Amino acid sequence: EVQLVETGGGLIQPGGSLRLSCAGSGFTVSSTHMSWVRQAPGKGLEWVSVIFGGGSIYYADSVKGRFTISRDTSRNTLSLQMNTLRAEDTAVYYCARGGASGSYSFGYWGQGTLVTVSS
Amino acid sequence: QTVVTQEPSFSVSPGGTVTLTCGLSSGSVSTSYYPSWYQQAPGQAPRTLIYSTNTRSSGVPDRFSGSILGNKAALTITGAQADDESDYYCVLYMGSGIWVFGGGTKLTVL
Repeated sequence: EVQLVETGGGLIQPGGSLRLSCAGSGFTVSSTHMSWVRQAPGKGLEWVSVIFGGGSIYYADSVKGRFTISRDTSRNTLSLQMNTLRAEDTAVYYCARGGASGSYSFGYWGQGTLVTVSS
Repeated sequence: QTVVTQEPSFSVSPGGTVTLTCGLSSGSVSTSYYPSWYQQAPGQAPRTLIYSTNTRSSGVPDRFSGSILGNKAALTITGAQADDESDYYCVLYMGSGIWVFGGGTKLTVL
């Protein structure tokens, strides 16, 4: 059974840094694309970043230059290093695994971890 | 700046049929955007309903169906039930490693 468990959220001051992790089980994180998707309080879903199985990496313009996505195949985890955090980065961050091969969909989701950027 | 459009809200009677749409601020949605649909109940993580325009995810009832209607992707719920009351999101793959979500549709069943 595929499972995704995010950790690392919390309260952080503006300008600070935080690292999120997503532990995968039931599959290998390098076998498909893995994304971070966030949801600000009371708002919709926003795609943040992806790492494809082959290693290509892409970011939404809103986080480019501040966030870094990576994976650790030895620990089967996905990470998101978030630097220079802003109030508008406050959101629940979901880890999402790619769906069926070639579908460019998000087939599995974690339960999310809340990041609050506030002084 | 690409904007993916969805109806902010929709209402359907129990047992009724509703079609939610997913469009582009400029241009038409086609299968080349690999439209997919997600259901999100309050306080829950999203659940995958439809991918690649019209393929149901495992375990999704066949009263949920996806299609292209005109220049938009569409999610049709036939025989709506009370527990279908949720937020529904579409997402389009824009190519070059970029996805864009629609703003979501809040569906009320009453």
